[in-house]
Amino acid sequence: SQTIHQWPATLVQPVGSPLSLECTVEGTSNPNLYWYRQAAGRGLQLLFYSVGIGQISSEVPQNLSASRPQDRQFILSSKKLLLSDSGFYLCAWSVPLLVGTSLWGTDTQYFGPGTRLTVL
Amino acid sequence: AQKVTQAQTEISVVEKEDVTLDCVYETRDTTYYLFWYKQPPSGELVFLIRRNSFDEQNEISGRYSWNFQKSTSSFNFTITASQVVDSAVYFCALINWTDKLIFGTGTRLQVFP
Repeated sequence: SQTIHQWPATLVQPVGSPLSLECTVEGTSNPNLYWYRQAAGRGLQLLFYSVGIGQISSEVPQNLSASRPQDRQFILSSKKLLLSDSGFYLCAWSVPLLVGTSLWGTDTQYFGPGTRLTVL
Repeated sequence: AQKVTQAQTEISVVEKEDVTLDCVYETRDTTYYLFWYKQPPSGELVFLIRRNSFDEQNEISGRYSWNFQKSTSSFNFTITASQVVDSAVYFCALINWTDKLIFGTGTRLQVFP
């Protein structure tokens, strides 16, 4: 069965410090990977997604970046954190969905346990 | 443009009551998928159900049931005989060929003993 891990679970960082959040998936190959952010009391915002190693699409321009150095590893980074970066960060994975012979979209997205980031 | 609306921000019920969470969606595509996720206090999003646009059959899973009606663009979720463990934020979501999962703003359900 597939599992998804995120660490750290919680993080408190000062403004201006760097950030590195890690997400790994087990039990599947070539998954699509996603980073979401959920601000306090709000919905989920897609930040980045990746369909393969080294392939990153950014949804929201900001001071965050993402990398996918290995097939099942997805990293969210920042060189200098802002107060507004505080939130709950969720990683998710899915498999591509074929409709007939066409790659249509993706199957269900499954989420990790999340990282709660507080920037002070 | 795709959009998911969950008009109920918060619902409070007493245990054993039935409760329905509303979800209305907008899309121009004929092929799409709808989802419900549960977010308990721990924060992790738990997948509950996926329904494709060509399958309007209602689904029941234990105390949970879903009513999909394309005519009204709704995908409502009913919990029968609610329990305290059902307390969570519930999200409805939509995905189409663009591969972007569009979430509603969520409904916070509080079930009191």
